[in-house]
Amino acid sequence: QSVLTQPPSASGTPGQRVTISCSGTSSNVGINTINWYQQFPGRAPKLLISKDYQRPSGVPDRFSGSRSGTSASLSISGLRSEDEADYYCAAWYESLNGPVFGGGTKLTVL
Amino acid sequence: EVQLVESGGGLVKPGGSLRLSCAASGFTFSRYSMNWVRQAPGKGLEWVSSISSSGSYIYHADSVKGRFTISRDNAKDSLYLQMNSLRADDTAVYYCAREGSGEDFDYWGQGTLVSVSS
Repeated sequence: QSVLTQPPSASGTPGQRVTISCSGTSSNVGINTINWYQQFPGRAPKLLISKDYQRPSGVPDRFSGSRSGTSASLSISGLRSEDEADYYCAAWYESLNGPVFGGGTKLTVL
Repeated sequence: EVQLVESGGGLVKPGGSLRLSCAASGFTFSRYSMNWVRQAPGKGLEWVSSISSSGSYIYHADSVKGRFTISRDNAKDSLYLQMNSLRADDTAVYYCAREGSGEDFDYWGQGTLVSVSS
């Protein structure tokens, strides 16, 4: 069982806006920023969103992130078939001296 | 171009040992904290270990504490993970990852598979 809670699946049709949630506690999401990772089958994860909402170079602005209280969300607008992947949130956890990850959300583009 | 290339994975019996390596290039290795993250087959990501840029600070997840040891050689631009007393639930793809400024992992290797089975 993951420390951060994500829905196991999400779906949308091309062009739609999809939001994936990530909830934690006051010990992780409540006090530390959230990072989001995208992973395609058989591939390494890729940093998608850093520090709640910052997009690394090369990440399309269709991807956006936000955080409020002990919850965070990743939104994908103008959904494309190539967005079909697994998405993981992560937050630093002081007691661990390392990050905790959500269980991941499998996004399906219908 | 930043590159992280893991090696050393394979099949090992329960109780056995394995040493993973991660060769870094394309950046000043000695300036970055580095991490190992694993992913069991069909499962999510799990942070395993981290080491500061100088090697002075080392942390391990509770699940591997006392069995795994992270280390680095800045002269060789390399990261290591010594895994002892391996168990079946250590079976996973192990990724090395560079720690960026936002306590994020901004670059990942392609991963190396460790299978623990009799």
